[in-house]
Amino acid sequence: SAVISQKPSRDICQRGTSLTIQCQVDSQVTMMFWYRQQPGQSLTLIATANQGSEATYESGFVIDKFPISRPNLTFSTLTVSNMSPEDSSIYLCSVAGTRGQYFGPGTRLTVL
Amino acid sequence: KQEVTQIPAALSVPEGENLVLNCSFTDSAIYNLQWFRQDPGKGLTSLLLIQSSQREQTSGRLNASLDKSSGRSTLYIAASQPGDSATYLCAGVSRGGSEKLVFGKGTKLTVNP
Repeated sequence: SAVISQKPSRDICQRGTSLTIQCQVDSQVTMMFWYRQQPGQSLTLIATANQGSEATYESGFVIDKFPISRPNLTFSTLTVSNMSPEDSSIYLCSVAGTRGQYFGPGTRLTVL
Repeated sequence: KQEVTQIPAALSVPEGENLVLNCSFTDSAIYNLQWFRQDPGKGLTSLLLIQSSQREQTSGRLNASLDKSSGRSTLYIAASQPGDSATYLCAGVSRGGSEKLVFGKGTKLTVNP
């Protein structure tokens, strides 16, 4: 199984600012995923990030709001731009492995 | 569009009880199904994966089954313990999909000592 780390683990941010979340995997993977979990809700896929190509965004999510980088096969970043209180969520990255998907510990974001 | 429903939303049981958590899909064309556990404020821990050629998987006190014809899955927990208290999420990958997981809202389980 893959071991995934995320930074930061949590943050409190002001409205209108941006936060970049990092995701590091201990092995090379083709596809990485970014999910959002709003308070009291389940996980929703934001985008799929493949190394060497543009991320693929799900309906309701746009690149200007959630730009993603995937510079190599073990690392990705998600930026939450121009934040509002509605962006307060847990953001999780995941990778697909031979035994399903593995998730990072998440980044808990609070926007004031 | 695939939607996932988990019943019940919350469950409280005494220690030692056997219990069943339910998950259903609007589109029964499920390729893989995965059950996760989420502790408060934490990420997801994968519990069981049922792949396309399988109908059930077992790990310790946990058993998960998938009935593709009806689009339903169950997670059976035997001899529950207080340490099992968590939110349990099921998620499916639709056949022909891109590994995208569609999640239910989860069942919050409390096992009382």
